[in-house]
Amino acid sequence: DAKTTQPTSMDCAEGRAANLPCNHSTISGNEYVYWYRQIHSQGPQYIIHGLKNNETNEMASLIITEDRKSSTLILPHATLRDTAVYYCIVTQTGANNLFFGTGTRLTVIP
Amino acid sequence: EPEVTQTPSHQVTQMGQEVILRCVPISNHLYFYWYRQILGQKVEFLVSFYNNEISEKSEIFDDQFSVERPDGSNFTLKIRSTKLEDSAMYFCASNNPPGWSSGNTIYFGEGSWLTVV
Repeated sequence: DAKTTQPTSMDCAEGRAANLPCNHSTISGNEYVYWYRQIHSQGPQYIIHGLKNNETNEMASLIITEDRKSSTLILPHATLRDTAVYYCIVTQTGANNLFFGTGTRLTVIP
Repeated sequence: EPEVTQTPSHQVTQMGQEVILRCVPISNHLYFYWYRQILGQKVEFLVSFYNNEISEKSEIFDDQFSVERPDGSNFTLKIRSTKLEDSAMYFCASNNPPGWSSGNTIYFGEGSWLTVV
């Protein structure tokens, strides 16, 4: 699986959009970008994933650059409950496991 | 929304004792996993299980560990003789193979916190 690079930590004001970047310059053509988050040692929670097109669901939007070497997870209106560690994971569909890095610790500030 | 459930949420055990952590994966899923997270460290893959056998395991998953699907709904992780360094949060997860209409996203349970004293 391709390696990802994320900032260690970020802050975001409550109600503003949180934009979490991820670099995955060695991504291969059959690898997807997945985002999970972990709130205070709870189980990792799936957020969104994509291959090359931008994706949106009820939780977030995922913007993938045209060359697929980086992506941004957008939480459109961050709330205090979005404070968590966010993991960007690149993996082949059907891969048997996920490799978690250290992620980005997002703190939403009132 | 279907979810992965785990029991117990927290267990304290004496070093050398056997521990069984239990999981009920999402009902129509066919792949099952165990991950662990030592306090302050990364989430680490332990083992995946499909069609009643281990499909992949990490270096962490040594002979002290075993997994079983004893019936149609439960998936268990057994640690035969616990060590202090086994203290961690253990997460169960499940998904379907690629190509299923429901997708093959891996979903995690809330974890079982194991403390070995």
